[in-house]
Amino acid sequence: DAGVIQSPRHEVTEMGQEVTLRCKPISGHDYLFWYRQTMMRGLELLIYFNNNVPIDDSGMPEDRFSAKMPNASFSTLKIQPSEPRDSAVYFCASQGMKQETQYFGPGTRLLVL
Amino acid sequence: AQSVTQLGSHVSVSEGALVLLRCNYSSSVPPYLFWYVQYPNQGLQLLLKYTSAATLVKGINGFEAEFKKSETSFHLTKPSAHMSDAAEYFCAVSDPNAGNMLTFGGGTRLMVKP
Repeated sequence: DAGVIQSPRHEVTEMGQEVTLRCKPISGHDYLFWYRQTMMRGLELLIYFNNNVPIDDSGMPEDRFSAKMPNASFSTLKIQPSEPRDSAVYFCASQGMKQETQYFGPGTRLLVL
Repeated sequence: AQSVTQLGSHVSVSEGALVLLRCNYSSSVPPYLFWYVQYPNQGLQLLLKYTSAATLVKGINGFEAEFKKSETSFHLTKPSAHMSDAAEYFCAVSDPNAGNMLTFGGGTRLMVKP
């Protein structure tokens, strides 16, 4: 298996622009997680899905952030409009129903100017 | 609620020396515990995990950790540090009854001196 795939790996955009981050989980995994990593706040869970359904989005910072999982093999995290304070590394992770381990993608490094 | 505390945001050791990274957790239920490693510009990779079987867990790259319930600890050790061990290490706890959500510690950056 190719593991969790994220795209793009790097994104540079200007304040106010829409940003869409993409994730393809490991085939057969039932859970998908979106995290944000910054120097100041460390690793934060933003939202997670079970069988494509959002279960807990309490970590989503504000209404500018939205996440979708239209099918078992694809998820997006959208920021609209983006702000400089959104600059971070965003990770996607997936996990099988009967497994204890989350498998992380390589991350998307976002810079909002 | 669960929480994880990693003592020491930075640890420096000499090559060949013992590595000890500390992790204490708080959990209202028997937890699952994990150590992940993050190399520069990469995602998190599982080093090892405790899931209520043997309390001494061996992982990849010569690392091991021991679950001590009485001390609510899950410290990570390696007998002899290698330059390639330089990375950031994260301890995490999950509640098997709560969707397997992970709560991460703040991370410890390990530096290895030649």
